[in-house]
Amino acid sequence: AQKVTQAQTEISVVEKEDVTLDCVYETRDTTYYLFWYKQPPSGELVFLIRRNSFDEQNEISGRYSWNFQKSTSSFNFTITASQVVDSAVYFCALIEYYGNNRLAFGKGNQVVVIP
Amino acid sequence: EAQVTQNPRYLITVTGKKLTVTCSQNMNHEYMSWYRQDPGLGLRQIYYSMNVEVTDKGDVPEGYKVSRKEKRNFPLILESPSPNQTSLYFCASSLSGRPGEQYFGPGTRLTVT
Repeated sequence: AQKVTQAQTEISVVEKEDVTLDCVYETRDTTYYLFWYKQPPSGELVFLIRRNSFDEQNEISGRYSWNFQKSTSSFNFTITASQVVDSAVYFCALIEYYGNNRLAFGKGNQVVVIP
Repeated sequence: EAQVTQNPRYLITVTGKKLTVTCSQNMNHEYMSWYRQDPGLGLRQIYYSMNVEVTDKGDVPEGYKVSRKEKRNFPLILESPSPNQTSLYFCASSLSGRPGEQYFGPGTRLTVT
């Protein structure tokens, strides 16, 4: 069964510092999708990015960037020049294309940006 | 507007009092799922449905029931809630064959005293 590991639980950074969140995944399928979600204190899940297993291109969106490395089964997320509004819980997740439509989530990273 | 709605958004109840959390989507999606989120555990799938009248257990189904009588609705039923079911619940939906496009509801925060 698929599994996602986010080793760091809580990360505190001072505003304007960069922060990288690690995500390591396990799956036997060759076709799958990886996601990052942000959960602000209000509780809703905010979709940030989706990557399919055939697309290893790294991506940058504003201050956010993602590094997908199939060779190490990792999909890491970096916030550059962090801001207080980045304080949230961030989840990495994986879904197998031929599975039961089950998203496997990591346990989440609590990011605290200190002004 | 494409969306998944959940009701209620917040609920405080007592042990043993049956309750239903509704989930509805307006995108004609075949797949629907329920997840619960607990601190330090991430989100875990409770039940899922691949289409009308087709449901199956996820990772943590104990204490929950679901039904899928219509394509758009997927209610989560707690017949006899207990305090360990205090959690944040999310409903999600997607099209068959498009697992990469998941839509989540806003969440329901349930407290069982």
